[in-house]
Amino acid sequence: DTAVSQTPKYLVTQMGNDKSIKCEQNLGHDTMYWYKQDSKKFLKIMFSYNNKELIINETVPNRFSPKSPDKAHLNLHINSLELGDSAVYFCASSQEEGAGTLAKNIQYFGAGTRLSVL
Amino acid sequence: QKEVEQDPGPLSVPEGAIVSLNCTYSNSAFQYFMWYRQYSRKGPELLMYTYSSGNKEDGRFTAQVDKSSKYISLFIRDSQPSDSATYLCATRQTNFGNEKLTFGTGTRLTIIP
Repeated sequence: DTAVSQTPKYLVTQMGNDKSIKCEQNLGHDTMYWYKQDSKKFLKIMFSYNNKELIINETVPNRFSPKSPDKAHLNLHINSLELGDSAVYFCASSQEEGAGTLAKNIQYFGAGTRLSVL
Repeated sequence: QKEVEQDPGPLSVPEGAIVSLNCTYSNSAFQYFMWYRQYSRKGPELLMYTYSSGNKEDGRFTAQVDKSSKYISLFIRDSQPSDSATYLCATRQTNFGNEKLTFGTGTRLTIIP
């Protein structure tokens, strides 16, 4: 039973199109994230939501719009796709565990959505 | 200059060798340090999670943090072909989910049988 699942796994589309990627987590976590990983494997945060509220919005073009209908889901809609949007997009979720110096906040990642813009 | 620097490799070593992977960071406020392992076409998965300076061991893996020199390391003993993956270091100031993780660029490691 996959903890963080993303659909679709692969997305090939033309420049200028609009597309969406969906993410669901069954871990009961409060916080969800979208990351972009470029061809050099650099993983960069795009957005973070905590209980449906936007917490982190890293200088991402406003063609990217996240939506969290409930705390188990975080979708990403991309308008007017450009060649530079080609990348692997990862969804993740996290929850603080433990207390004091033993506390951890571990992010669990989905398998990624490989987006190719032609 | 990136906040976290990591040699992208690729790094190839023979099976059984000790592997040393390293990152440096610039923000002295970082307190939590992680290593993630990412197999090809998969998402990153947490390997090691450490707080502040010191060593942490888990099986064949040892994470080391030296905050005075802003240097973090991951050692893999008795390396196996199944250790072949990209290893990403990550860091943050607090344990709160509303603070972003800052990742290094990842080091691609291949263990040769």
